[in-house]
Amino acid sequence: EAQVTQNPRYLITVTGKKLTVTCSQNMNHEYMSWYRQDPGLGLRQIYYSMNVEVTDKGDVPEGYKVSRKEKRNFPLILESPSPNQTSLYFCASSFEGRVSPLHFGNGTRLTVT
Amino acid sequence: AQSVTQPDIHITVSEGASLELRCNYSYGATPYLFWYVQSPGQGLQLLLKYFSGDTLVQGIKGFEAEFKRSQSSFNLRKPSVHWSDAAEYFCAVGADFGNEKLTFGTGTRLTIIP
Repeated sequence: EAQVTQNPRYLITVTGKKLTVTCSQNMNHEYMSWYRQDPGLGLRQIYYSMNVEVTDKGDVPEGYKVSRKEKRNFPLILESPSPNQTSLYFCASSFEGRVSPLHFGNGTRLTVT
Repeated sequence: AQSVTQPDIHITVSEGASLELRCNYSYGATPYLFWYVQSPGQGLQLLLKYFSGDTLVQGIKGFEAEFKRSQSSFNLRKPSVHWSDAAEYFCAVGADFGNEKLTFGTGTRLTIIP
């Protein structure tokens, strides 16, 4: 089944403790992206990647890192999480950038205390 | 910089009634425009998209949207809503060159009453 898989679904952590949210897609998509969703703010793009080793900032990249060492994986790294990064995070992929339909994962709800 | 505004936070319509969800964008040239739908507890699904050509585009689930350059709008419509249409709807805009950013609006939550 074609899908975007994010792990974990729920994560509670403390300020400053490094964490990684994994994202994997099995559709051989070129484009992958991370979004955060907050009430009243909609979805905001954090980072995106057009291909292996090619990443670029979205609208809210501060406090986040990404890497694209393999085509199928696009982990989101929070080196030193803070409470304002408490949010619902979505990974998405598409065949050819934003012009192709984005396939979304089921989300990761992160709480930073 | 590209931006998108969805002026209605929450809309309630009766089942069987018509629906229009508003979306206004800001971008200097012709943008790429999208409507996505999010059912509770799930990720987003593409309803339709506009790049060029016919300004009235048809999507899945009976939805359509009309691009109006003069009004910088891309409103989503459906002639008769079903209870299963209750969800959150997001308009999104992308520039036609230079980067692969996709900027979403803040969303409109649709409630359907019997």
